[in-house]
Amino acid sequence: EDKVVQSPLSLVVHEGDTVTLNCSYEVTNFRSLLWYKQEKKAPTFLFMLTSSGIEKKSGRLSSILDKKELFSILNITATQTGDSAVYLCAVGLQGAQKLVFGQGTRLTINP
Amino acid sequence: ETGVTQSPTHLIKTRGQQVTLRCSSQSGHNTVSWYQQALGQGPQFIFQYYREEENGRGNFPPRFSGLQFPNYSSELNVNALELDDSALYLCASSQFTDTQYFGPGTRLTVL
Repeated sequence: EDKVVQSPLSLVVHEGDTVTLNCSYEVTNFRSLLWYKQEKKAPTFLFMLTSSGIEKKSGRLSSILDKKELFSILNITATQTGDSAVYLCAVGLQGAQKLVFGQGTRLTINP
Repeated sequence: ETGVTQSPTHLIKTRGQQVTLRCSSQSGHNTVSWYQQALGQGPQFIFQYYREEENGRGNFPPRFSGLQFPNYSSELNVNALELDDSALYLCASSQFTDTQYFGPGTRLTVL
């Protein structure tokens, strides 16, 4: 069975800290790995990583994919209270049109 | 460019009833996927529609059914509602790629 596991499940830090969120996966026919931010309802797309793009960066957020060890990390530097959200990791599969999601990491940034 | 929209925002039903949820895809997108997100969990894939045909289905019973219309909007129908169907139902659209863009969801409560 395809599985995506995120850790930690919950994280509380102070504004300005740097955080690292983890995502490991065990799936058949990996095609892509995606990160989403979910603040209230709609998950918002952050990054997609594939074999041809294993590192992405946007402002204070960055992500890498390790296809050999089957994991990805999402880094957020100089955190702000607006970064408080649930971060979801999802894997896209070859030959299937679904995304398989992890359970999410709830990140809380205290001022 | 209009994003993904869903209606209604909230819905309360009783066990055994039927419900229809609606989704309008983002402009230019021909693929719609539906997910169920229980509280504290990641989204679970229900099914996907591509050019009005079902194109993949997750582990959900047949009482979960759907449609896609020529304008690529979509409906999710759930018959014989059960208490465990209470969840946030998310619709996502894409141009037949893994990068899916989500709507704000419909919160369904079954009493």
